[in-house]
Amino acid sequence: EVQLVESGGGLVQPGGSLRLSCAASGFTFSSYWMSWVRQAPGKGLEWVANIKQDGSEKYYVDSVKGRFTISRDNAKNSLYLQMNSLRAEDTAVYYCARSSGGFDYWGQGTLVTVSS
Amino acid sequence: AIRMTQSPSSLSASTGDRVTITCRASQGISSYLAWYQQKPGKAPKLLIYAASTLQSGVPSRFSGSGSGTDFTLTISCLQSEDFATYYCQQYYSYPPLFTFGPGTKVDIK
Repeated sequence: EVQLVESGGGLVQPGGSLRLSCAASGFTFSSYWMSWVRQAPGKGLEWVANIKQDGSEKYYVDSVKGRFTISRDNAKNSLYLQMNSLRAEDTAVYYCARSSGGFDYWGQGTLVTVSS
Repeated sequence: AIRMTQSPSSLSASTGDRVTITCRASQGISSYLAWYQQKPGKAPKLLIYAASTLQSGVPSRFSGSGSGTDFTLTISCLQSEDFATYYCQQYYSYPPLFTFGPGTKVDIK
């Protein structure tokens, strides 16, 4: 059974940093592009970043470029999102998702709240 | 970046109704379009990919059509469990800068 389990969310002050993790199981993690998608409270879905199978390509939505870094460790079947210089508008539930003709599997999400 | 729009933004319907949601891309995306269903407090669920291919396990009352810039999601006979928000998403662009539509909320009339 495919499982994606996010962790690392929490309350952080503006300008602070947080690192999200996503533990994958039930599939060959190293064979898939992986993504982070977020959803601000009461709002729609926003793709944030994705990373190629071997980590050689990474892409970001404009609003997080230069502040967020996506990475992966295929030996640990894990996906990460390092978030720096956090802003109030980064407050959202962050989901990791497997890319395969759309996002076919999603984690349960982890809430990031940026507030003083 | 490719922009996605959806219409309507919300609709009220009754169980048994036929419901159609439209999604439009700002430029041609061939058939690289997915549809998702999301219920409150839950992660989105993939319903359809490649514009018209039903994801495994999704009921056949859901169908998708279209290519290029205009797409539709149809629910042929609305069931109580279908009241949710639906999103379209393009995955055509390379580099892969994916974008979602703003969503369509389907609620009970």
